[in-house]
Amino acid sequence: GAVVSQHPSRVICKSGTSVKIECRSLDFQATTMFWYRQFPKQSLMLMATSNEGSKATYEQGVEKDKFLINHASLTLSTLTVTSAHPEDSSFYICSASAGASYTGELFFGEGSRLTVL
Amino acid sequence: GESVGLHLPTLSVQEGDNSIINCAYSNSASDYFIWYKQESGKGPQFIIDIRSNMDKRQGQRVTVLLNKTVKHLSLQIAATQPGDSAVYFCAEKGFSGSARQLTFGSGTQLTVLP
Repeated sequence: GAVVSQHPSRVICKSGTSVKIECRSLDFQATTMFWYRQFPKQSLMLMATSNEGSKATYEQGVEKDKFLINHASLTLSTLTVTSAHPEDSSFYICSASAGASYTGELFFGEGSRLTVL
Repeated sequence: GESVGLHLPTLSVQEGDNSIINCAYSNSASDYFIWYKQESGKGPQFIIDIRSNMDKRQGQRVTVLLNKTVKHLSLQIAATQPGDSAVYFCAEKGFSGSARQLTFGSGTQLTVLP
């Protein structure tokens, strides 16, 4: 099946630094990618919808200046956590849509665990 | 706001028994539902989906039942195996354009006992 790859899988950074997470669709073109955040023992919360070639659409309560999303190509979306703080420590997961079908399957990456010291 | 939720946060079953994981949703406009399995430290893995014009769909060892009258969704796993231990999420999508945006339920931790 389709594969979505995230990198890095784990990252530890100091407070105040910025961290970039990549999401790649390996064998299909993804016009739309989604970024989720998941705290321990909680569900996935949608942060933003990333559209190739246009600005991302952020969910209510998500700071767009803090979580920068770039979807420069049909196979790559990046999430940059700027000036990270310990409360940003979380599991970040991306997903990508392979087709235009309304019920088209979403493929998820393996997630990136961010720890901010 | 409307949300998707689960009845049971944890479920323990004996290996070989059948498992039933439940999910309640409140958005009556939802017309597509998916069950995902998430193992520790990994992303969600698609299990099975169902459209609102169906009330049952079967896959390999899994069956999803949809009761739109009471807005209830369930995932049945037959002959549960140790490898089935994971957190299971239901997710729903309402009619909101072309974006395949999902709302996830709170999850159920399934533990398979030897």
